[in-house]
Amino acid sequence: AQSVTQPDIHITVSEGASLELRCNYSYGATPYLFWYVQSPGQGLQLLLKYFSGDTLVQGIKGFEAEFKRSQSSFNLRKPSVHWSDAAEYFCAVAFYNQGGKLIFGQGTELSVKP
Amino acid sequence: NAGVTQTPKFRVLKTGQSMTLLCAQDMNHEYMYWYRQDPGMGLRLIHYSVGEGTTAKGEVPDGYNVSRLKKQNFLLGLESAAPSQTSVYFCASSYNQGFSTEAFFGQGTRLTVV
Repeated sequence: AQSVTQPDIHITVSEGASLELRCNYSYGATPYLFWYVQSPGQGLQLLLKYFSGDTLVQGIKGFEAEFKRSQSSFNLRKPSVHWSDAAEYFCAVAFYNQGGKLIFGQGTELSVKP
Repeated sequence: NAGVTQTPKFRVLKTGQSMTLLCAQDMNHEYMYWYRQDPGMGLRLIHYSVGEGTTAKGEVPDGYNVSRLKKQNFLLGLESAAPSQTSVYFCASSYNQGFSTEAFFGQGTRLTVV
C-alpha cells in the first residue's frame, strides 16, 4: 500500500538556523507531492507542491522542497528559520490512479529556540 | 470569501449519541473530503465526494456516514458515537481531484466523546 513517512516526530532548531524536514513515500510511480503547515488550533495551509518539471520547488514563507526520484523523497528546507515558523508540518501525496486523494505523513512538529 | 467553513468548532458527546458535522464551501469546488487528525497519525481520510450526490469511502470510514445533497455542503454523521471517535475533524475541498490543484481546509472541529 502507498504510504508517506516523516521520520522526525519533533525537531527543535535555533532561530536563524537552517531547517530540513524529511519526507519519504512508497509507491512505484511518481506521485503528486505537497507540504502543508498547521499552526496550533488552525487548519492546514499549503506551503508548496510538486507535479512535474523542475525538481526544486519554491513555496510561500521562504520554504523550498526538492523531489528526488531515486530516493523517493520530498524534503522541505528553509535556509533561516524564524520563530513564527514553529508549527506542525505535514507531507502529503496524491496518486493519479487513486482519485487524487491526499495521503498524509504523521507530521513533524517544529519548535524554534530564541 | 469564507472558503471552507466547519460547524460546530467544538462538541462534547456522550457515548451512543449522534451528531452531524457540517462543511460548507463557497468556491464552487467539485471535490470535498473529511479527514480526522489524531496525535502521531497525521490526517486520515474518512470519506470523500467527487461531486453533488456522490460519496466514497476513504481509509477509515467505519462508524461514519456522509451526504452531499448540495454541491457546497458535505455532511459527516456519527450515528452512535464512541470514545474512539474523539478526534479533530477537518473538511477540505478542491476544484478537481486534488492532485492538480490546492485542497483548502476548514479550521477543524474538535470532538470529544465521553
